[in-house]
Amino acid sequence: DAKTTQPPSMDCAEGRAANLPCNHSTISGNEYVYWYRQIHSQGPQYIIHGLKNNETNEMASLIITEDRKSSTLILPHATLRDTAVYYCIVRVPMWTGNQFYFGTGTSLTVIP
Amino acid sequence: DVKVTQSSRYLVKRTGEKVFLECVQDMDHENMFWYRQDPGLGLRLIYFSYDVKMKEKGDIPEGYSVSREKKERFSLILESASTNQTSMYLCASSLRTSGYNEQFFGPGTRLTVL
Repeated sequence: DAKTTQPPSMDCAEGRAANLPCNHSTISGNEYVYWYRQIHSQGPQYIIHGLKNNETNEMASLIITEDRKSSTLILPHATLRDTAVYYCIVRVPMWTGNQFYFGTGTSLTVIP
Repeated sequence: DVKVTQSSRYLVKRTGEKVFLECVQDMDHENMFWYRQDPGLGLRLIYFSYDVKMKEKGDIPEGYSVSREKKERFSLILESASTNQTSMYLCASSLRTSGYNEQFFGPGTRLTVL
């Protein structure tokens, strides 16, 4: 039950900004946008989340369009350690029993 | 550094065996979760717990049970393992106020049931 669409793969040069897009055209008003990443053979790592305002933390920035139908995760200065699969997830942040569907994500490769 | 640890990285069991997967977190988090991750299906929530001795069913609880006797430990039990339970199992924890917002995941246990 994919609610998000992401490109399957992207490359980014080390030191450059990585911009990862996500489409979520059916997002409802109470659903948040979450980003996680999963480095090979490790558990997922939380990155950032937002509802409608742009958000920034020590790891990344999240830009959400005004109509909330798409968003972009920005890693400002990508390093080799940022090579991972990045998942964009939309859901309500409460115990609804709905699955936390990670989908297939975007495989980001940071190139030296 | 926050940490969620799981008892095994790889486990191989036989059909019908009782399987215990252990998860321990050192962050004093109230919420703990068990997921399984399968190709094409994302992460699916099996059970979660918001306090000691409290548990709630997730999306796919059938064939599983859980135990939370101490705040830092959340165990997943496969009562009688079956081949369709071959999967990557992931444990996570979060603060009570964070809910799903900021979950910290363990490294996962890859379980194979023969």
